[in-house]
Amino acid sequence: GAGVSQSPRYKVAKRGQDVALRCDPISGHVSLFWYQQALGQGPEFLTYFQNEAQLDKSGLPSDRFFAERPEGSVSTLKIQRTQQEDSAVYLCASSPRARGNTIYFGEGSWLTVV
Amino acid sequence: EDKVVQSPLSLVVHEGDTVTLNCSYEVTNFRSLLWYKQEKKAPTFLFMLTSSGIEKKSGRLSSILDKKELSSILNITATQTGDSAIYLCASTDSWGKLQFGAGTQVVVTP
Repeated sequence: GAGVSQSPRYKVAKRGQDVALRCDPISGHVSLFWYQQALGQGPEFLTYFQNEAQLDKSGLPSDRFFAERPEGSVSTLKIQRTQQEDSAVYLCASSPRARGNTIYFGEGSWLTVV
Repeated sequence: EDKVVQSPLSLVVHEGDTVTLNCSYEVTNFRSLLWYKQEKKAPTFLFMLTSSGIEKKSGRLSSILDKKELSSILNITATQTGDSAIYLCASTDSWGKLQFGAGTQVVVTP
């Protein structure tokens, strides 16, 4: 596609509900990142994929967070048993190379847990 | 622990003023420093700085990196209301993983 596409753009979840956020990176991009941005904060790193391999998941805040990229393109970030503190914008970014600084962000998925 | 610190956290200026935003970093495996502009959507790329002392310019915006001081500044001259946004600074390692600061919110009043 022309850019990084994320869906849904907005999601309201009841506390305890599971949510799945989807990221369609730019076609052919090797690297894919997920970031979490709470209100008034800068984005915080969650996890990194190189093709289908999850090379770094050090930023996932708890075992309720799980990410996958099974075929090395589309990625899904799943949050189980959502809590209010999970309310944030979830940004996906992709990069054409395995080691590179040209990073393209999607417009984010805004999650509100009520 | 790696960290990126931005200052000020927010500022309000009048159109036409010049603003200077600061970013300091303490990061292992540092590769480069990036500046982004965020207006309620995805961060949009402004500059990537890898070498110390070389100023990068784009219109009214400019930025420079000081590797000795582990810092960078972003300047905006002749500010316009359209410059109102959050400006994010981020360090990157060799994998492209970004470590962001909290951002500086800039409000430009007419």
